[in-house]
Amino acid sequence: EIVLTQSPGTLSLSPEERATLSCRASQSVSSSQLAWYQQKAGQAPRLLIYGASSRAAGIPDRFSGSGSGTDFTLTISRLEPEDFAVFYCQQYGSSQVYTFGQGTKLEIK
Amino acid sequence: EVQLLESGGGLVQPGGSLRLSCAASGFSFSTYTMNWVRQAPGKGLEWVSGISGGGGSTYYADSVQGRFTISRDNSKNTLNLQMNSLRAEDTAVYYCAKSLYSSGWFFDYWGQGALVTVSS
Repeated sequence: EIVLTQSPGTLSLSPEERATLSCRASQSVSSSQLAWYQQKAGQAPRLLIYGASSRAAGIPDRFSGSGSGTDFTLTISRLEPEDFAVFYCQQYGSSQVYTFGQGTKLEIK
Repeated sequence: EVQLLESGGGLVQPGGSLRLSCAASGFSFSTYTMNWVRQAPGKGLEWVSGISGGGGSTYYADSVQGRFTISRDNSKNTLNLQMNSLRAEDTAVYYCAKSLYSSGWFFDYWGQGALVTVSS
């Protein structure tokens, strides 16, 4: 089973700054099988990025994803106040098994 | 508009059973793999189970294999999760989640969640 490790655990930034979140897989992952979600307190997760770099419907273009192999990145180019939340990466594996990273909390500095 | 509405959560004793349901609307329900994803209090996300659009294929996380059963009724646009032999570590908010693709892969719509508490 592939393990996804996200870093940092907590990221403290100010609005208008750039955020870079990392997701590292324990073995190589097809970029088509990697996604990112945002979860605000008390809400369900929201799909941001799928296939490592494709934005989901309605997601602003300040959110972007990149990476391949074992290293993937979610970048928020210019933070808005509503962007602060917990972010999860997720991998789709063989036999319909799904794994999530442990999450990165993005908090206001 | 896609809507997913879970029901059936509550308090249950260890070893007990509970059945969750998810009423879906706004999309062609029978086309898509559907899933349950849970989140223990203050913890991260854990995929629990999935079922193909026709219901013929089911998938489970190792942590629930043999105790939970996923099913669907495409005539009623409803997804179910029968949970038996519940343990304290099953305490979580359970989300119903639609797959982005008919075959699965990612979760593009989520319900609001149903809280399951396993405690004596």
